[in-house]
Parts: sequence; structure tokens; C-alpha cells
Amino acid sequence: DIQMTQSPASLSASLGETVTIECLASEDIYDILAWYQQKPGKSPQFLIYDASSLHTGAPSRFSGSGSGTQYSLKINSLQPEDFASYYCQNGLSAPLTFGSGTKLEIK
Amino acid sequence: QVQLKETGPDLVQLTQTLSITCTVSGFSLTTYNVHWVRQPPGKGLEWMGAMWNGGDTDYNSAFKSRLSISRDTSKSQVFLKMNSLQTDDTAKYFCDRLIHNNYFDYWGQGVMVTVSS
Repeated sequence: DIQMTQSPASLSASLGETVTIECLASEDIYDILAWYQQKPGKSPQFLIYDASSLHTGAPSRFSGSGSGTQYSLKINSLQPEDFASYYCQNGLSAPLTFGSGTKLEIK
Repeated sequence: QVQLKETGPDLVQLTQTLSITCTVSGFSLTTYNVHWVRQPPGKGLEWMGAMWNGGDTDYNSAFKSRLSISRDTSKSQVFLKMNSLQTDDTAKYFCDRLIHNNYFDYWGQGVMVTVSS
């Protein structure tokens, strides 16, 4: 199984700041990676696919990058609605696996 | 408009069987794949298994032979059944639609299931 290691587990930031969340795969996943945002009590929302492509409707302040085993999600100019949990997901092979999540909190 | 909605029990007794129905609208089960993902309280997401558009299924080996996924295309429903429930099966269970490269573009609201002794 491909393991997805996400860091940090939690992150405090202020409105307007830029933050980056990292995701490390246990083997090369050839950019077959997605990012999701989840707010408390809600289902995850699809943000980024193929490591760097923005899903329709996702704000442009979100961007993804990376290759091989190392990937990152960057959020520019944090807005109040961005404070949530974020998960990466391996789409290369089953079992489909998720990172353990990053909780982004307001400082 | 694409929608998925899970319906199932809030509470299941220890060692009993869980049955959840996912009813979809806005797309066909013979065109898209529907998968199941669960999330224990305060924890991360775990992929459980798949109903592929052709009718085949795949399961996470973590669930061994406890898990079964089936469908009724005439009713646009996908079913999850898992037996021998333990307390660590307490979780919110989501059904979601899979698109290219195995990404989940639409998720149901989820159903929170508590396993009680």
C-alpha cells in the first residue's frame, strides 16, 4: 500500500497569510494526487487534482505543486473560510490512501 | 445536479451487521463509479471499497471478508454491508463519486454510525 505522510498535523496562521502543507508518498505516484478541504461536520470538498490542477469552482488562491513522492498545497492570502482541515490522496493505485490531515486554525 | 445521499442506522450493536444505502442522482451508476470512505470521529479518511460502473467491486483488504458492496441500477442505489462490527467501526460513512485518476469529485453528506456494546 502507498503511505501518505502529511505535515504539519496542525497549523496556526493569520488572515492574509500564506501557508503551505506538505504530503510525502511512500513511492512515486506520478502526480496522481488530489487535495481536499473539510470543514467541521461536513464532507470533504475536492480542491486540486493531478497534483496541480484546480478543480472547477475552487478559489485561485489555492495551488498545488510537486512531483515524484513530494507534493504541497499552498494557500495564498488566507480567508476566514479557509480555516479547515486538508487531506491529500493517492489516486495511483488501490487501496486509495489519504494523508492523516492538516488542521488549519486561526492564530 | 449531482447528489449522493447516505441513509442508514445511527446505532448498531456490537458484532451486528451495518447496512447503508447510497442513493445518487444527476448521474448514472453505469457511467460513474461510486466508492465508500469512512472517517472515525476526530480522525482521517479511510477508503473502504468500490462499485465500478461495470458492476465489479473492489475492497480494502483491511476489511477482509467483512465488507460487501452491491447496487441496484434501476433505483440508482449502492449498498454497503459490513458484518461483525466492533467499537472501532464507529465512524461517519461517506459514499462518493469517482472520476478519472481515482479522485472523488462529489461526496454524500455522510451517515454517522455508532457501534454500541
